[in-house]
Amino acid sequence: DAKTTQPNSMESNEEEPVHLPCNHSTISGTDYIHWYRQLPSQGPEYVIHGLTSNVNNRMASLAIAEDRKSSTLILHRATLRDAAVYYCILRDSGSGNTGKLIFGQGTTLQVKP
Amino acid sequence: KAGVTQTPRYLIKTRGQQVTLSCSPISGHRSVSWYQQTPGQGLQFLFEYFSETQRNKGNFPGRFSGRQFSNSRSEMNVSTLELGDSALYLCASSLLTGAGNTIYFGEGSWLTVV
Repeated sequence: DAKTTQPNSMESNEEEPVHLPCNHSTISGTDYIHWYRQLPSQGPEYVIHGLTSNVNNRMASLAIAEDRKSSTLILHRATLRDAAVYYCILRDSGSGNTGKLIFGQGTTLQVKP
Repeated sequence: KAGVTQTPRYLIKTRGQQVTLSCSPISGHRSVSWYQQTPGQGLQFLFEYFSETQRNKGNFPGRFSGRQFSNSRSEMNVSTLELGDSALYLCASSLLTGAGNTIYFGEGSWLTVV
């Protein structure tokens, strides 16, 4: 399974945009890029995913580099409720189509009022 | 619609006992997977079931087992509990198993082994 690299922690001010980076230099052509976040004492929550093109949803935007070796999760206006651990995960659509997620250490986002 | 439901939410067991955790996936979801989360090891994949068949298994000892019923509900069992099994056990479900499908997690079952 391809691995991802994320900064251990980041800080942001409330109501400002946040760009969370993820490096995945060994990504294969069949890997989807998924982002999940985990708030304290809760299960992980799906944020967004994409394959090649940039994606937007009500929670965030996902910007994927042209060579797909990196991606950035963008929270347009951080709120205190966005303070969480953010996980960038690669899911291989070519390896038996399993539901397995491999979590790294993620990025702990702190949002300051 | 209702999310992934896990029971019980909290439980305390003694070393050597066994425990069974239950998971009800989102209605219509056929894939159920289980994860263990500990402060030291983070989130680790246990196993995945689809249509009552185990499709994938993580690197855990045989004391950890699971099953899925015809209504997609799932249970996991841990026998001969050890102190190190204290963890948050998370169940997740998805409609299908493809990598483009979204996986939804429950709030977890907190297991403490004393």
